[in-house]
Amino acid sequence: EAQVTQNPRYLITVTGKKLTVTCSQNMNHEYMSWYRQDPGLGLRQIYYSMNVEVTDKGDVPEGYKVSRKEKRNFPLILESPSPNQTSLYFCASSLLGQTYGYTFGSGTRLTVV
Amino acid sequence: QKEVEQNSGPLSVPEGAIASLNCTYSDRGSQSFFWYRQYSGKSPELIMFIYSNGDKEDGRFTAQLNKASQYVSLLIRDSQPSDSATYLCAPKGAYSGAGSYQLTFGKGTKLSVIP
Repeated sequence: EAQVTQNPRYLITVTGKKLTVTCSQNMNHEYMSWYRQDPGLGLRQIYYSMNVEVTDKGDVPEGYKVSRKEKRNFPLILESPSPNQTSLYFCASSLLGQTYGYTFGSGTRLTVV
Repeated sequence: QKEVEQNSGPLSVPEGAIASLNCTYSDRGSQSFFWYRQYSGKSPELIMFIYSNGDKEDGRFTAQLNKASQYVSLLIRDSQPSDSATYLCAPKGAYSGAGSYQLTFGKGTKLSVIP
């Protein structure tokens, strides 16, 4: 089944404890992206990647890191999480080109206390 | 800064009625337009895609596009309670460069279909 897999689905952590949210897609998509979604603010892009070893900042990159060492994987790293990073996170992937929308992962609900 | 404007709602319609969801966008270079449906706490799900001016129909859904007016809409006929969700409008940019793969999402319109 074609899908984007995120793990974990739920995570509660403490301020300052490094964490990684994994994202993997099995559709050979070039493009991958991370979003956070907060009430009233909609989907805001954190980072995106056009291909292996090619990443760029989105609208809200502060406090986050990413890497794209393999085409299928695009992990999101929070080196020192803070309570303002409590949010619902989505990974998305797509083929490049006008006719392709994004396929989203199931989401990760992160709470930082 | 690319902007996508949607009425946040909630838009309430009775079961069986037509729900009309509207979206305006600022980037005149936008070529393709996507509509996503998002149930509360779930991930966005692609439901419609349109890139030509005019109407595109898929089952109970019709997308309408007017590039000159920078306006795209989604009509849901015979609305069902299961259609109750937030609908996100997402234009895609120009054919080349960064626009060829970036979607800009509106904040969404919350639709409530009353039985």
